[in-house]
Amino acid sequence: DSGVTQTPKHLITATGQRVTLRCSPRSGDLSVYWYQQSLDQGLQFLIQYYNGEERAKGNILERFSAQQFPDLHSELNLSSLELGDSALYFCASSPRPGQDYGYTFGSGTRLTVV
Amino acid sequence: LAKTTQPISMDSYEGQEVNITCSHNNIATNDYITWYQQFPSQGPRFIIQGYKTKVTNEVASLFIPADRKSSTLSLPRVSLSDTAVYYCLVGDNTGFQKLVFGTGTRLLVSP
Repeated sequence: DSGVTQTPKHLITATGQRVTLRCSPRSGDLSVYWYQQSLDQGLQFLIQYYNGEERAKGNILERFSAQQFPDLHSELNLSSLELGDSALYFCASSPRPGQDYGYTFGSGTRLTVV
Repeated sequence: LAKTTQPISMDSYEGQEVNITCSHNNIATNDYITWYQQFPSQGPRFIIQGYKTKVTNEVASLFIPADRKSSTLSLPRVSLSDTAVYYCLVGDNTGFQKLVFGTGTRLLVSP
């Protein structure tokens, strides 16, 4: 157990639907990062939050949005889902912005869009 | 962001030492070098991080030459369970830049 909790572990939904993925960072970590990993794309950075504020943005689609709440948990919202959105979605956290301690990843949410 | 180049794949046998080299010619002064390990369907796991010279922990060693344009992850006496993808990343420690994963090195350890 890495200390980063992601729910649900698996999610199957239909095209056009909307889903919410949840991440609880490791205790004491203020930064949360979201990554998407599909078979043919590798790990793609989506977005980063630090203490509730967006800090960095990657190739995140406009159909996707995220936020970090006061209790530091984060949610990634995916809407108007397409077949190509099927992937593993990972959340990672770190104590503060930076790599001094590395990032701790959760076990991911496997999203299947049918 | 400094771009990294790693071999796509490597093969080894149990008990051997494995060295995976990563090139990062455009590394910046403030950049650290970090290595992650990823098993199928699992999140990447932090292995080791360094800035210069040599760093060693219970899992691996990281060798960084003086010019810092490359680094080598050394895994002593690998076992079958070390079969995984290994990623080399460089970035500063402000945390305000995207941590970008490359394609990584797929290590296959055989009996």
